[in-house]
Amino acid sequence: ETGVTQSPTHLIKTRGQQVTLRCSSQSGHNTVSWYQQALGQGPQFIFQYYREEENGRGNFPPRFSGLQFPNYSSELNVNALELDDSALYLCASSLDREPSPLHFGNGTRLTVT
Amino acid sequence: LAKTTQPISMDSYEGQEVNITCSHNNIATNDYITWYQQFPSQGPRFIIQGYKTKVTNEVASLFIPADRKSSTLSLPRVSLSDTAVYYCLVVAYSGAGSYQLTFGKGTKLSVIP
Repeated sequence: ETGVTQSPTHLIKTRGQQVTLRCSSQSGHNTVSWYQQALGQGPQFIFQYYREEENGRGNFPPRFSGLQFPNYSSELNVNALELDDSALYLCASSLDREPSPLHFGNGTRLTVT
Repeated sequence: LAKTTQPISMDSYEGQEVNITCSHNNIATNDYITWYQQFPSQGPRFIIQGYKTKVTNEVASLFIPADRKSSTLSLPRVSLSDTAVYYCLVVAYSGAGSYQLTFGKGTKLSVIP
């Protein structure tokens, strides 16, 4: 069973740039969700995709957008980066959109300078 | 949207039982409660999930009172390897097949030899 993998592991960007983060779901999972985790804080829900459709969104501006592909992998795109976007971005997959255990990757550490 | 509150930190000696309580006063009827464990530089790992009363698995128990406004994660006989941050997560159904996932700020558990 392949777990959730995220790429890249670390990234440095400049304010105003755009970034794309990638996530491969665990085998057999059709739901993926993304989280932003600032240092010392809990993960903050960005959005969730179920079978390529967004089915939940947290309190994040539209410059945070995403995609889920037919193989259930996913991307998180962030436009017009701000310094406060510096954080660990976590992806999680689950078996279905019904409440079920989330399987997390180890995240992408984004630094915005 | 359910808001969660947890103690910031707890200390325990090896071999003791640890109880971590999460408050979620405005939890809704269909919301689920889940707990995760996170080690540094890793994504959170699922521990246990429940809706009401008591749930037990091989690593923990989850107690949820009748009013569901709080939940308590119980870790029996902790060891040094249980030193981690523990998060309470409320999974809320927000209609039309959409979900909101709200993590608490986490409880840092330190197990002392």
